[in-house]
Amino acid sequence: AQSVTQLDSQVPVFEEAPVELRCNYSSSVSVYLFWYVQYPNQGLQLLLKYLSGSTLVKGINGFEAEFNKSQTSFHLRKPSVHISDTAEYFCAVSGSNTGKLIFGQGTTLQVKP
Amino acid sequence: EAGVAQSPRYKIIEKRQSVAFWCNPISGHATLYWYQQILGQGPKLLIQFQNNGVVDDSQLPKDRFSAERLKGVDSTLKIQPAKLEDSAVYLCASSLGGGVGRETQYFGPGTRLLVL
Repeated sequence: AQSVTQLDSQVPVFEEAPVELRCNYSSSVSVYLFWYVQYPNQGLQLLLKYLSGSTLVKGINGFEAEFNKSQTSFHLRKPSVHISDTAEYFCAVSGSNTGKLIFGQGTTLQVKP
Repeated sequence: EAGVAQSPRYKIIEKRQSVAFWCNPISGHATLYWYQQILGQGPKLLIQFQNNGVVDDSQLPKDRFSAERLKGVDSTLKIQPAKLEDSAVYLCASSLGGGVGRETQYFGPGTRLLVL
């Protein structure tokens, strides 16, 4: 069985500061990893995904994530956040043969001026 | 390119009533998913269709929930009768191919259901 743990439920940060949102996963098989963002009253939008190859993945809006197989982690980072980055962020995992996404509980990023 | 469309956006019903949600995926997308997102939690897959066949409905409460995807395009999700714990956002998503794990899923805006 697969599972995802997002280690922080809320992350407050000041504008233009760097941020890291932490995600750990558990799986007995090879997985694909995703980060989605959800703005208030909207659906989920893909930020980035890791399928294979380079462990550093770059996504939209200046976000990047690093896949660490030995630590089973996929942390999301941004060097300088904006007010507009305030949203809910979800880490998710899927197996190779199924499209089913297993989501973490979510992390609320609160960017303060 | 139009995104995934869902309606209604909001619905309030009383317990034991029935309710239906509609989803129109991105044109040409073969796979359609329904997720339930309870407040404070991540989305949970209820059912996955490939074209008009069911791929995974293992977490669908079949005593009260039903879903169909006629002609492999639009889909409806129904709850009958609704319980208080069904209050959630119901998200529809679609992906281009056969629903394998590497595909990107595109999500609609969701239907927010409140059961009183």
